Amino acid sequence: GENVEQHPSTLSVQEGDSAVIKCTYSDSASNYFPWYKQELGKRPQLIIDIRSNVGEKKDQRIAVTLNKTAKHFSLHITETQPEDSAVYFCAASRRNGGATNKLIFGTGTLLAVQP
Amino acid sequence: DSGVTQTPKHLITATGQRVTLRCSPRSGDLSVYWYQQSLDQGLQFLIQYYNGEERAKGNILERFSAQQFPDLHSELNLSSLELGDSALYFCASSREPGLAPDTQYFGPGTRLTVL
Repeated sequence: GENVEQHPSTLSVQEGDSAVIKCTYSDSASNYFPWYKQELGKRPQLIIDIRSNVGEKKDQRIAVTLNKTAKHFSLHITETQPEDSAVYFCAASRRNGGATNKLIFGTGTLLAVQP
Repeated sequence: DSGVTQTPKHLITATGQRVTLRCSPRSGDLSVYWYQQSLDQGLQFLIQYYNGEERAKGNILERFSAQQFPDLHSELNLSSLELGDSALYFCASSREPGLAPDTQYFGPGTRLTVL
């Protein structure tokens, strides 16, 4: 069935370092890959997304890369700051006209940025 | 603020009871998704409605049901509650599935505690 694996489950970095979180998806028809940041007790917030016709997307300190052949995608955060500390979720969905685009989530990565 | 509203914020009830969670999507969004977040299962897709009709079902128990009303708000009904139903329940909304933009924006969630 549909599955998204996410690694690592926890990640601790020093302020200013880079952080990388990796996800692998099983459904080869998946074509939309968002990343959400969730602070404790709050709602997931979209931070960046990528569609399958693009290999990389960047937004300031955040970038996402996609390898369709290997069915994996990664989140890269550069120059980390303490406020980046949160749980990050990757997700995958099919984005087809008229069909569902339910999100299948990874298990989450707890990122701790040490000042 | 995502524009998606959910009520109530917190709900404490006893086993065997029935509760209703309410969600109002962002203005202009036709699709509503329900997700359950628990410590052991992560973020799981439950059900999706589009313009009043059920579009997709995920890992939703038979004791749970949902509907979307003509004004596009949605309700998730949970009955015969068990301890294991304690979780955060999120609603998300998007424009028509498959058409850009179809980003899902999450509401603040309802924390359900079953005692």
